[in-house]
Amino acid sequence: KAGVTQTPRYLIKTRGQQVTLSCSPISGHRSVSWYQQTPGQGLQFLFEYFSETQRNKGNFPGRFSGRQFSNSRSEMNVSTLELGDSALYLCASSETGGATEAFFGQGTRLTVV
Amino acid sequence: KQEVTQIPAALSVPEGENLVLNCSFTDSAIYNLQWFRQDPGKGLTSLLLIQSSQREQTSGRLNASLDKSSGRSTLYIAASQPGDSATYLCAFPSGTYKYIFGTGTRLKVLA
Repeated sequence: KAGVTQTPRYLIKTRGQQVTLSCSPISGHRSVSWYQQTPGQGLQFLFEYFSETQRNKGNFPGRFSGRQFSNSRSEMNVSTLELGDSALYLCASSETGGATEAFFGQGTRLTVV
Repeated sequence: KQEVTQIPAALSVPEGENLVLNCSFTDSAIYNLQWFRQDPGKGLTSLLLIQSSQREQTSGRLNASLDKSSGRSTLYIAASQPGDSATYLCAFPSGTYKYIFGTGTRLKVLA
């Protein structure tokens, strides 16, 4: 059974640009959630999707957005990049979200210069 | 608000030692608890999941226990190896479809 796949693994972008990250969950999993990890802030919750519906959103500016497709794959987009957006972005999948076991991808390392 | 603390924050031990990592939480109304390991710059690898009705789970050299009444979980690593060097995180789902993570324990096992 394939795990959670995140693409790309690494990205370098310039301030002001936008970026799209992709996450393919484990087959059969319908919940996908996104986290930002930085050395100073630890793991911060961005948003969670289930069956194409956003059920929860973290405390991030509107520049951060996401969506989920009918095949459960999810994308997150960050517009007008800032230096502080440099981080490891992690995606997690689970069967239904909530109390079901979560599995994480390898992450996308975003560097904004 | 749920607070999750992991002690110690960092640990350096010689190979072969048995280890105990601690995770404390303030709200005992949790559904389950997961232990993860994270290698530098990598994603999180799920190690063990303890359901709220269980007291412990074992996988190989790892054993995790959960005591909801005292707000505590421990991860026991037997006969540690250099390959166990990583950051260990405890986490559990909140009621709002997000995981709450502990502060992490950075482990280094010396050969």
